[in-house]
Amino acid sequence: DAKTTQPNSMESNEEEPVHLPCNHSTISGTDYIHWYRQLPSQGPEYVIHGLTSNVNNRMASLAIAEDRKSSTLILHRATLRDAAVYYCILRAPNFGNEKLTFGTGTRLTIIP
Amino acid sequence: DAGITQSPRHKVTETGTPVTLRCHQTENHRYMYWYRQDPGHGLRLIHYSYGVKDTDKGEVSDGYSVSRSKTEDFLLTLESATSSQTSVYFCAISESPGTQAFFGQGTRLTVV
Repeated sequence: DAKTTQPNSMESNEEEPVHLPCNHSTISGTDYIHWYRQLPSQGPEYVIHGLTSNVNNRMASLAIAEDRKSSTLILHRATLRDAAVYYCILRAPNFGNEKLTFGTGTRLTIIP
Repeated sequence: DAGITQSPRHKVTETGTPVTLRCHQTENHRYMYWYRQDPGHGLRLIHYSYGVKDTDKGEVSDGYSVSRSKTEDFLLTLESATSSQTSVYFCAISESPGTQAFFGQGTRLTVV
């Protein structure tokens, strides 16, 4: 399985943008880049995913490098509620790659 | 919110007793997953299912078995619980390998 590398932790000030990086140098051409986050005492929740083009939704934006070997999750205006562990994972949309595995993610702390 | 329910939400059991955790979904998704989460280890995949009666092992399957006799239910069984299986267990569902996954709220299991 292609692996991802994320910083263990990051801090950001409230109401400022946050850029969470993820490296995936062994990504294959069909792998989608998914981001999930886990708030304290809750199950993980889906944030966003993309293949090649940058993606936006109501929660965040995903910027994907042109060579697809890295990506950045962007929270445009962090709130205290965004304090969570953020996971970047790769998912291949083909049978035979059904496993869904997580690394240790990035723990994001928001400073009031 | 996706229709995924874990039961029980909390359980305390004695060493050596069998324990079954249930994951129930109303989304008719093909894929279902069981994870455990411990401090310092993140989410670790125990078993997963890619269809009725089709299951496979994850990263930490020793001491656990699963069954899926119908689409909506995925059962995780600890045949003889040990203290090392004290953990928070999460279930997840996914329509296909490349799509987003939805997680349950978790089951906190304590083995004394």
